[in-house]
Amino acid sequence: DAGVIQSPRHEVTEMGQEVTLRCKPISGHNSLFWYRQTMMRGLELLIYFNNNVPIDDSGMPEDRFSAKMPNASFSTLKIQPSEPRDSAVYFCASSFDRVVQHFGDGTRLSIL
Amino acid sequence: AQSVTQLDSQVPVFEEAPVELRCNYSSSVSVYLFWYVQYPNQGLQLLLKYLSGSTLVESINGFEAEFNKSQTSFHLRKPSVHISDTAEYFCAVSEGNTGKLIFGQGTTLQVKP
Repeated sequence: DAGVIQSPRHEVTEMGQEVTLRCKPISGHNSLFWYRQTMMRGLELLIYFNNNVPIDDSGMPEDRFSAKMPNASFSTLKIQPSEPRDSAVYFCASSFDRVVQHFGDGTRLSIL
Repeated sequence: AQSVTQLDSQVPVFEEAPVELRCNYSSSVSVYLFWYVQYPNQGLQLLLKYLSGSTLVESINGFEAEFNKSQTSFHLRKPSVHISDTAEYFCAVSEGNTGKLIFGQGTTLQVKP
């Protein structure tokens, strides 16, 4: 069975550019989570959706970050404009019961 | 507010030795507790979970963890580690089925031959 699929796996871009990270959750899962992992702050929940509706975005660092889930099989996390401090590994996870979360392999983002 | 403290950032251990990775949490309500494992350049994989019932939970690869409500702990143990257990281990807590996981800072388990 396919797990959570994230793309791209690696992204290197210059400061000020728009960055879009993509996630395809496991089929049948109705909850989707976006996390950010850094050495300094560890794993942080940015936002999560239930049935495509954003439930809690209190972890989104600032207005430069936005997330959408237009349908049950696709979500995006966008950073515009990007800054060097946004460099991190971004994970997407999905769940069918909001208890056990299944993670993708992440997108390693470097902002120069 | 919930928080999770993993008391050791790195744990070096020799192969076939026992290991314990410590985790304490703070929460004023009932919680679900998890251990996730992360191998290099991969996402997190669920190792084991406590939701209710028996306070001792086990994984298929020999790890176990015990929920201790009075000490607010959920330590992870394995009686005999393998080289392949080398990874980063994360303890996490959520309040019921809200879906919000709070992670500890992680413990790097390094198994030496």
